[in-house]
Amino acid sequence: AQSVAQPEDQVNVAEGNPLTVKCTYSVSGNPYLFWYVQYPNRGLQFLLKYITGDNLVKGSYGFEAEFNKSQTSFHLKKPSALVSDSALYFCAVRDYFTGGYNKLIFGAGTRLAVHP
Amino acid sequence: DTGVSQDPRHKITKRGQNVTFRCDPISEHNRLYWYRQTLGQGPEFLTYFQNEAQLEKSRLLSDRFSAERPKGSFSTLEIQRTEQGDSAMYLCASSLGQGAPDNQPQHFGDGTRLSIL
Repeated sequence: AQSVAQPEDQVNVAEGNPLTVKCTYSVSGNPYLFWYVQYPNRGLQFLLKYITGDNLVKGSYGFEAEFNKSQTSFHLKKPSALVSDSALYFCAVRDYFTGGYNKLIFGAGTRLAVHP
Repeated sequence: DTGVSQDPRHKITKRGQNVTFRCDPISEHNRLYWYRQTLGQGPEFLTYFQNEAQLEKSRLLSDRFSAERPKGSFSTLEIQRTEQGDSAMYLCASSLGQGAPDNQPQHFGDGTRLSIL
């Protein structure tokens, strides 16, 4: 079965420092991977996706993610964190292999706290 | 692009009552999804529509749950005889896609938070 894991419940980083939010995946076949961000009492906002091609994917708000097939990872990164980046981040994989119709399978989420 | 709209934003009801939520997807999007999110967890898939056809349902969607998308535009999710365990955020998402697998992102609404007393 397709799955993603986010090993850290919370990541703390100082403003201006680089940040990394980790995600590992388990899929049969080629993965379609996504990152979303969720602010309090809001829905999920799409940040970026990996489908195929370049392993470094650039997305919204200065975020990027690195796809690593050998380590089955898709870590979210940003060179310089902002306090406004503080939110809940979800990694997701598209489930199509089992005959499903493209539903997303989400990790449990990582809370990012950026301190001034 | 007005985004995905969900109504109501909050619903408080007594156990045993029926509730209905509405989702208006982005206008040109042919695919519509419902997810449920409980506190501290990622969203879990409930059901999926392509146009008006309901193509997939999760095992989470018990017989108390029903979803429709009658004209391939807005969708409703109804929960009958609500239980305490139904308390959650119900999220709707839409996308424009063809075939499977679909490489288009899903765009989410702000959800309906359901609280069962």
